[in-house]
Amino acid sequence: NAGVTQTPKFQVLKTGQSMTLQCAQDMNHEYMSWYRQDPGMGLRLIHYSVGAGITDQGEVPNGYNVSRSTTEDFPLRLLSAAPSQTSVYFCASSYLPGDSGNTIYFGEGSWLTVV
Amino acid sequence: GENVEQHPSTLSVQEGDSAVIKCTYSDSASNYFPWYKQELGKRPQLIIDIRSNVGEKKDQRIAVTLNKTAKHFSLHITETQPEDSAVYFCAASIGNQFYFGTGTSLTVIP
Repeated sequence: NAGVTQTPKFQVLKTGQSMTLQCAQDMNHEYMSWYRQDPGMGLRLIHYSVGAGITDQGEVPNGYNVSRSTTEDFPLRLLSAAPSQTSVYFCASSYLPGDSGNTIYFGEGSWLTVV
Repeated sequence: GENVEQHPSTLSVQEGDSAVIKCTYSDSASNYFPWYKQELGKRPQLIIDIRSNVGEKKDQRIAVTLNKTAKHFSLHITETQPEDSAVYFCAASIGNQFYFGTGTSLTVIP
């Protein structure tokens, strides 16, 4: 099992550009999510999905879109990048929705800089 | 939504001493409380978790306690070692969402 795979690991964008962070998991997890990590802010939920075709917003969804066409993939799209979106992004997955007490597995992270 | 506060933000201990990190949460409906360890440049990894129907859980040198009435939970690391140096995050779960604390940077001084 590769676990949770994120690409790219590092990216520099110009303000206004769009891009997609890719996330894939091979554990047949229903639950997938995206977090951003900023210094002193912990991990904040952007969007999540409990299955193919189902997505919902987290704490900080503005400026991001997601889709879940397959169980394995959960891409995060930045529509028009802003410097405030400079952050480290983590994709995560687990077997069942979060409050069932199942371990969340994180990807390795994507370091994004918007200039 | 849920609000998770974590203290202290930084903690330095001598090797062999104990370390305690505390978190409080605001929503009494939260029912699952994991702790994650994140080494520099790496992904967060689960080290221990506790459900709301349990008051304490231990795993070797690591323990977590939960006080539902006071809405706080704590991570205890005994006999600390240099490899325990990392950032630790607590989290509380409601429904399909996890809410994370802001992290504690633990340094174990040899």
